[in-house]
Amino acid sequence: QKEVEQDPGPLSVPEGAIVSLNCTYSNSAFQYFMWYRQYSRKGPELLMYTYSSGNKEDGRFTAQVDKSSKYISLFIRDSQPSDSATYLCAMNENRDDKIIFGKGTRLHILP
Amino acid sequence: ETGVTQTPRHLVMGMTNKKSLKCEQHLGHNAMYWYKQSAKKPLELMFVYSLEERVENNSVPSRFSPECPNSSHLFLHLHTLQPEDSALYLCASSQLGGTEAFFGQGTRLTVV
Repeated sequence: QKEVEQDPGPLSVPEGAIVSLNCTYSNSAFQYFMWYRQYSRKGPELLMYTYSSGNKEDGRFTAQVDKSSKYISLFIRDSQPSDSATYLCAMNENRDDKIIFGKGTRLHILP
Repeated sequence: ETGVTQTPRHLVMGMTNKKSLKCEQHLGHNAMYWYKQSAKKPLELMFVYSLEERVENNSVPSRFSPECPNSSHLFLHLHTLQPEDSALYLCASSQLGGTEAFFGQGTRLTVV
């Protein structure tokens, strides 16, 4: 079983829809969970960062972590065409540990 | 711009060539990383430098040779590469104990 599983997509949704992106993982020691966004021809940039279980909201973005199910989600409300990008989940056990990335999900928001 | 600059942006090289990728960060970070991003695969960590010392080498073939002359610069020296080494090579930096890795825009490498 891979450490981090993420559906590569592509996922196409109409503008204004709620988007749900998900990852599952196998290592119960992961404590720090991140979502990175990568636009075409750019490097990834950190979008959301959460520690342990729970929710975190930032504008239109909400990150959820369910450690009991080893499942994390990123929700995007009122999606915009500018949200079209690849979204990578990432996690590690401790802050200075190497970060394990998912494959990334390609998201297209259709105008 | 994230504060991490990679050059060149694109590189085409033959299997017998020697080339180097360069990464520069002006964020005052003390850790730097090389990642490989291939189509349909997760980001693969190749090398980690912490306080200018290599702390991790993720079973990377010796045809990839990193160099970190100071905390602001990181190089990846390439020689006798294979076509399957074609990928996007990303450099990142972070502050140890911090929460975010900042990535450069990457070098798109094609080995012919």
